[in-house]
Amino acid sequence: RKEVEQDPGPFNVPEGATVAFNCTYSNSASQSFFWYRQDCRKEPKLLMSVYSSGNEDGRFTAQLNRASQYISLLIRDSKLSDSATYLCAVNNQAGTALIFGKGTTLSVSS
Amino acid sequence: DTAVSQTPKYLVTQMGNDKSIKCEQNLGHDTMYWYKQDSKKFLKIMFSYNNKELIINETVPNRFSPKSPDKAHLNLHINSLELGDSAVYFCASSLGLAIVNEQFFGPGTRLTVL
Repeated sequence: RKEVEQDPGPFNVPEGATVAFNCTYSNSASQSFFWYRQDCRKEPKLLMSVYSSGNEDGRFTAQLNRASQYISLLIRDSKLSDSATYLCAVNNQAGTALIFGKGTTLSVSS
Repeated sequence: DTAVSQTPKYLVTQMGNDKSIKCEQNLGHDTMYWYKQDSKKFLKIMFSYNNKELIINETVPNRFSPKSPDKAHLNLHINSLELGDSAVYFCASSLGLAIVNEQFFGPGTRLTVL
């Protein structure tokens, strides 16, 4: 099993749709989880951290399922500007670095 | 007021050459990183430095040598470039060693080895 896995997509959705991505991780001792957003030919930018109890930031909701070892990102009321690649990141075994998934590509169309 | 800057933005060079990429951050962070993103978009950590000290050195060929002259700079020198080195190299920085702290990425350097 790869350390961090994501469905690469692409996810093609219309504006206003709700879309969810999952990301599985292999290290059951992982403590830090993040979602980053990367626009085409740009650098990754932190979208949100993922807390144990789940957290919400506007239209975005992140959740952690420790038992099944995955994190999720839910985007409600999708906007054209949400089109991007979403990378999940989990701390490595030593807790010194982030391991990124390969990203899930989202395309929102009008 | 760029937070993390890298130069050059694009680098096209021949196999066998030696090249350097520079990174600077003005965020007052003390931890800096180099990542490689290959053509399949896989973003992988290469090195990290904290207060000029090497913290992480992933399985990277020793043709790659990072250098941190001070906390605000982390440069990457690559010797004897190979075709497989073609990728986008991102520098990043964060405050402290705690992995929970947000990492800020530079705009990337797109390296093409011919």
